[in-house]
Amino acid sequence: NAGVTQTPKFQVLKTGQSMTLQCAQDMNHNSMYWYRQDPGMGLRLIYYSASEGTTDKGEVPNGYNVSRLNKREFSLRLESAAPSQTSVYFCASRILTGDEQFFGPGTRLTVL
Amino acid sequence: TQLLEQSPQFLSIQEGENLTVYCNSSSVFSSLQWYRQEPGEGPVLLVTVVTGGEVKKLKRLTFQFGDARKDSSLHITAAQPGDTGLYLCAVTALRGAGGTSYGKLTFGQGTILTVHP
Repeated sequence: NAGVTQTPKFQVLKTGQSMTLQCAQDMNHNSMYWYRQDPGMGLRLIYYSASEGTTDKGEVPNGYNVSRLNKREFSLRLESAAPSQTSVYFCASRILTGDEQFFGPGTRLTVL
Repeated sequence: TQLLEQSPQFLSIQEGENLTVYCNSSSVFSSLQWYRQEPGEGPVLLVTVVTGGEVKKLKRLTFQFGDARKDSSLHITAAQPGDTGLYLCAVTALRGAGGTSYGKLTFGQGTILTVHP
């Protein structure tokens, strides 16, 4: 099992460009999450999907959209990237009955 | 204002020393998790503490949940260079109607530990 996979690993964008971060899990987990990690701020929740077919905002949703494509895949889209969105993005998944989250390796995004 | 305050933010010690990392809040939680993150990787769960006053041991790591379930500590005995990393505490949002947990995690800002050989 690969666990949680994320693509790409690194990305550089110019202000105003758009892109989609991909996330997939092969553990048959119900819930999936997108976080961003900035120095000195831990991880902050952007959006989550409690189950297939549902999505909801987290703590810092502005400037992002998400799609729960199926049970395995949860994508994060930046429609018009801004320098403030320079960060490391992590996707995570969780089984419905547990609290532990399993994280992917992250995508390091730089917006110039 | 951070829901969870971790201290210290940075810790640089020599191999063999002991250390304690703290995670504090003014709120009460049903459970608290500790994660460890290595450079270039995602966080990995170390332990979940649930009961007030609970103590859990994982080899040289000892985790304690405060009696009032508002704070937690992580103690490492005889630290080794392999312990180097970012240590994060996290709590789950309150369970919704019907007892279903949404599973959303709120993280502390983390403690960066460096253990020098």
